[in-house]
Parts: sequence; C-alpha cells; structure tokens
Amino acid sequence: AQSVTQLGSHVSVSEGALVLLRCNYSSSVPPYLFWYVQYPNQGLQLLLKYTSAATLVKGINGFEAEFKKSETSFHLTKPSAHMSDAAEYFCAVIKRGTYKYIFGTGTRLKVLA
Amino acid sequence: GAGVSQTPSNKVTEKGKYVELRCDPISGHTALYWYRQSLGQGPEFLIYFQGTGAADDSGLPNDRFFAVRPEGSVSTLKIQRTERGDSAVYLCASSVSGTREETQYFGPGTRLLVL
Repeated sequence: AQSVTQLGSHVSVSEGALVLLRCNYSSSVPPYLFWYVQYPNQGLQLLLKYTSAATLVKGINGFEAEFKKSETSFHLTKPSAHMSDAAEYFCAVIKRGTYKYIFGTGTRLKVLA
Repeated sequence: GAGVSQTPSNKVTEKGKYVELRCDPISGHTALYWYRQSLGQGPEFLIYFQGTGAADDSGLPNDRFFAVRPEGSVSTLKIQRTERGDSAVYLCASSVSGTREETQYFGPGTRLLVL
C-alpha cells in the first residue's frame, strides 16, 4: 500500500539557510508525489508535483524536489530560507488505482531571524 | 477566478447534534474531494465525487457521515449525531476532471468543534 513518511515534525532554519524537508514514500509502482504548503488559517497550496517526467521538479517560491527511486525519497529543498516560508509542509502520494491523496503527518518549518 | 470556498469557517456544536458543511468548488471542476484533518495530522481522505455521483466513499468513517453533490457543483458534508471525536478541520478540494496527476485545489476548511 502507498504511504509517505515525513521525518521531523518540526524543523528550524535561520533566514538565508538551506531548507531541507524530508519525505520518503512506499509504493510498489512509480508513484505520483506532491508537496503542499499550509499557511495558518489557509487552505493547502500546491508547491510542486512529480508525475513520472523529470526527476528534478521545480515549484513555486523557489522550492524544488528530487525524485530518487533508489532511496524512495522526494525531499523538498530551497537554497535560501525566507521568513515568509514559515508554514506547515505536507508530502502526499496518490494511492494507486484511486484519485485520493495519502498525506504525511506534516513538517512545521520555523525560520529564525 | 475564485478558489474553493467553504462555509462556515468555524462551527461549534454540541454532542449529538446534526451539522452540515458546505463546499463551493472552482467553477467548471467536475471532481470534488472531502478530507478531514485532525490536530497534528495530515489530511485524511473521506469521499470523492465525479460530477453528481460519489465515485469513492471509502474514507467515510461510519454511517453518521454522508455527502451529496446534487447538481455537480456545490457539495454538502452531513454529520449526524456528532461525537467529540468528530472535532477536526474538514477540507474540501476540487480538480478539473479527476485524473491522478491533476492538482487538487483546496479550500480553507471548516473547523468543527463538538462540545
């Protein structure tokens, strides 16, 4: 069965530092993978998605993620954190044969001045 | 154009009461999804509509939960005999046609508190 694991429920980085949020997936077939961001009192917003095309996916707000089949990972990165990046980030996989997302438990990113 | 909207934004009710949560998807989107997000957790799938019909309701926790989409646009999630464990944020999402690689666009959610 498909699932995702997000390591680290809370991550803190200094402003200007590298952001790395980890996501590992479990799937017997190549999955569709997504990263969403949730700001306080707002809906989830898509950052980027992997749908079996290029393994390095670029998203909005300077974020990118690399699909690594050998490591079953889809980690989210941003070279330089900004205060406005503080939010909760969710990794998700589409369950095979369905249209429903299976979300990870989320990582709350804190950016320190 | 407008995004997905949900009303009310907050709902407080007493145990045993009936509640209705409304979702207005993006105009023209045929696929509509409901998720539930408990505190400290990621959203969990409840039900998926393709047009007016529920194509997958496997995530509904029990028969107290029901959802409709009579005209293929607005959807209502109905919860009977609410329990304290139903307290969560209920999220609605829509997508153009429901293919797997499509982006699902989420509303801001309805925060339900059952006292």
